[in-house]
Amino acid sequence: GAVVSQHPSWVICKSGTSVKIECRSLDFQATTMFWYRQFPKQSLMLMATSNEGSKATYEQGVEKDKFLINHASLTLSTLTVTSAHPEDSSFYICSARNGKRQPQHFGDGTRLSIL
Amino acid sequence: AQTVTQSQPEMSVQEAETVTLSCTYDTSESDYYLFWYKQPPSRQMILVIRQEAYKQQNATENRFSVNFQKAAKSFSLKISDSQLGDAAMYFCAFTGNQFYFGTGTSLTVIP
Repeated sequence: GAVVSQHPSWVICKSGTSVKIECRSLDFQATTMFWYRQFPKQSLMLMATSNEGSKATYEQGVEKDKFLINHASLTLSTLTVTSAHPEDSSFYICSARNGKRQPQHFGDGTRLSIL
Repeated sequence: AQTVTQSQPEMSVQEAETVTLSCTYDTSESDYYLFWYKQPPSRQMILVIRQEAYKQQNATENRFSVNFQKAAKSFSLKISDSQLGDAAMYFCAFTGNQFYFGTGTSLTVIP
């Protein structure tokens, strides 16, 4: 149980392109979803937290106009990297949980490479 | 401020031996959960074990067990009979009103 699916797993695109990453909870309803960015050999850096039907809460230093998050249902959240540039290249990983004290269950991550 | 500290950036263990990864945390909350996650080279985050703060009994999952010392705010992970597949980054995590990850410990298993 508690499976989270994240797609795509790997994206390579040109600078200026917008990229959408999907995160789905397959067998549970996710009251909260999280988006992280991870640099090599570092811990996960929380970008934003989203609750179904409400606006995402962004961490300090994360540009909300750059990283658009939509949490339209209890099983789906999307992260859109708008007008991506090489510095946005990174590993992005989503997670979901179905209660405040519950563990986060993670997707397999998306490796984003901007040329 | 709530923080999670993993003081060992890297650890190594001989195959079949036992290793303990340390984690300390700081919080003023009384109701919280603690977790250990494993991230192998595939970068998938895998939940290894969880501990509810209100439970005195240490959690155990097969070869993985924790030593939870609430007063000391310590939450170490013991891996027994280490296997090559245990090689990974291990992250300690805290969830109360917020969710916090430690900086991780890279575990190498020596054949």
